[in-house]
Amino acid sequence: DIQLTQSPSFLSASVGDRVTITCRASQGISSYLAWYQQKPGKAPKLLIYAASTLQRGVPSRFSGSGSGTEFTLTISSLQPEDFATYYCQQGNTYPLTFGGGTKVEIK
Amino acid sequence: EVQVVESGGNLVQSGGSLRLSCVASGFTFSDHYMDWVRQAPGKGLEWVGRARNKANSYTTEYAASVKGRFTISRDESKNSLYLQMDSLKTEDTAVYYCGRGAWFGSTVTVDVWGQGTTVTVSS
Repeated sequence: DIQLTQSPSFLSASVGDRVTITCRASQGISSYLAWYQQKPGKAPKLLIYAASTLQRGVPSRFSGSGSGTEFTLTISSLQPEDFATYYCQQGNTYPLTFGGGTKVEIK
Repeated sequence: EVQVVESGGNLVQSGGSLRLSCVASGFTFSDHYMDWVRQAPGKGLEWVGRARNKANSYTTEYAASVKGRFTISRDESKNSLYLQMDSLKTEDTAVYYCGRGAWFGSTVTVDVWGQGTTVTVSS
């Protein structure tokens, strides 16, 4: 199975900060990576697919990059509504797998 | 409005069975892959399985942790997806989400999620 390792697992940041989350795959997955945001008690929300394409309706402060084994999710200027947990998921090989998550909290 | 709504979650004893349902609306159900994803209390997301669309003969894929115990099926006449869960274990306790898969380029990504249904397996 392909393992996805997210780092950090937790980060504390302030409104307006630039935030970067990394997702590393145990083997190459081309650009078959998605990023999701999840708030407590809610379903995940798709932010980015194909590693770097913004889902319709998602603010442009979110961006994704990478291919192969290393990927990043960047929030250019953190807003109050962005405090949540973020997950990467690979769609290259079955079984599909998620990263362990990165919880973004208010400093 | 495009949406999927899960139901069927309950408290069940270890070794028992349960069937979850997911009803889709607002889109052509047969065109889409459908996934089940779960989340144990306080834990991350875990992919459970997938049913492909009509064009791909509704074939299925499963996570190793549920293969042989869980079965995904579809009823196109009811726009419904099901998760039959047998031989349940306490570690199957989780919120179960149904998700619509959509083709984005060369891969399928879940773009619409239900609100989830809670399964609790007691010992």
